[in-house]
Amino acid sequence: DGGITQSPKYLFRKEGQNVTLSCEQNLNHDAMYWYRQDPGQGLRLIYYSQIVNDFQKGDIAEGYSVSREKKESFPLTVTSAQKNPTAFYLCASSISGHSSYEQYFGPGTRLTVT
Amino acid sequence: QKEVEQDPGPLSVPEGAIVSLNCTYSNSAFQYFMWYRQYSRKGPELLMYTYSSGNKEDGRFTAQVDKSSKYISLFIRDSQPSDSATYLCAISGGGSNYKLTFGKGTLLTVNP
Repeated sequence: DGGITQSPKYLFRKEGQNVTLSCEQNLNHDAMYWYRQDPGQGLRLIYYSQIVNDFQKGDIAEGYSVSREKKESFPLTVTSAQKNPTAFYLCASSISGHSSYEQYFGPGTRLTVT
Repeated sequence: QKEVEQDPGPLSVPEGAIVSLNCTYSNSAFQYFMWYRQYSRKGPELLMYTYSSGNKEDGRFTAQVDKSSKYISLFIRDSQPSDSATYLCAISGGGSNYKLTFGKGTLLTVNP
């Protein structure tokens, strides 16, 4: 089955620790995205990548980092510099260019930092 | 002014009702208008999209865009309990503009 997988589903960390969230897709999509969703908020774009070895900051990139070494993978690291890391994190992918509005989402990772 | 405004609800309706969900946006350059459905604790899924103005129908769902008033709507006819979810509007400039700007989402509950 084609799709996007995110792991783990739930993640707990202590404050001050960096944590990496996994995102893998087998849809052969060029573009990948990371969003953050908080209660009562829409999805906010953290980072996106249109092609391997290239990525751009979204609206709320501070305290996060990404890499795109393979087309299929786009891991997100939540660093200790992120002031409010507890949130629901969603990874998405799309075909580049004209159809980039049609984004396919993974099941999400719920991160809790205490 | 936020780029996309969406009434968060919650909205509760009886089974069989017609549901109207709405968003307004501020940037007239936006070209693509999407509705995503998100079940609790899941990722969103694309329900419908419309390019520019007009209506688009898919089964019980109709998406409507009025670019003159910067207003988009999603209508659900004969609503079912399985339609209970959060509905997110999203807009995009299209082309090389990869960004989607999302509304906050409206939580809909359809009661049997």
